[in-house]
Amino acid sequence: ETGVTQSPTHLIKTRGQQVTLRCSSQSGHNTVSWYQQALGQGPQFIFQYYREEENGRGNFPPRFSGLQFPNYSSELNVNALELDDSALYLCASSLDRFSTDTQYFGPGTRLTVL
Amino acid sequence: AQTVTQSQPEMSVQEAETVTLSCTYDTSESNYYLFWYKQPPSRQMILVIRQEAYKQQNATENRFSVNFQKAAKSFSLKISDSQLGDTAMYFCAFMKHNNDMRFGAGTRLTVKP
Repeated sequence: ETGVTQSPTHLIKTRGQQVTLRCSSQSGHNTVSWYQQALGQGPQFIFQYYREEENGRGNFPPRFSGLQFPNYSSELNVNALELDDSALYLCASSLDRFSTDTQYFGPGTRLTVL
Repeated sequence: AQTVTQSQPEMSVQEAETVTLSCTYDTSESNYYLFWYKQPPSRQMILVIRQEAYKQQNATENRFSVNFQKAAKSFSLKISDSQLGDTAMYFCAFMKHNNDMRFGAGTRLTVKP
């Protein structure tokens, strides 16, 4: 059984560009959550996808968008990158969308915006 | 809105000793979940321990245990027999629903040989 994987590991972009980050959920998990972790801070919830539909969103602007595919893998897209978007982006998968389901995290993608 | 506060930015402990990390949270909910996650330099968040608010018994996982004080909204983590591999950032997290987990700012723990 493979865990949660994310790609790429690191990414450097310039202000104004667009970026796509990818996440493969743990086998059997249908729910993926995305978090932004700025340097020296705890993760902040961006949004969650359950069975290909958005199932909740944190306090992030619409230029943060996502997708979930039939195999439950997921993408996070960020348009019009700003310097403050530099962070570690974590995804977490859970068996289902219920509070009883533990979230298992991937290793993250480090995004640097210059 | 629920907030999570970790008042100790950094802590250190000698190998084999015991250390306690503090966490307080603010909520008006009666049923929720609390977590401690560990983030080593490899960056991957690893679940250490989980507590359901409706359970009065404190959760334990081997060398890790919590002191859950619901009335005081306090959720501390005790690590016994500290090991070098315990060196990491530790995050306390609150969750009412699966789609809204809130994390504290973290405590950096260093275990010294």
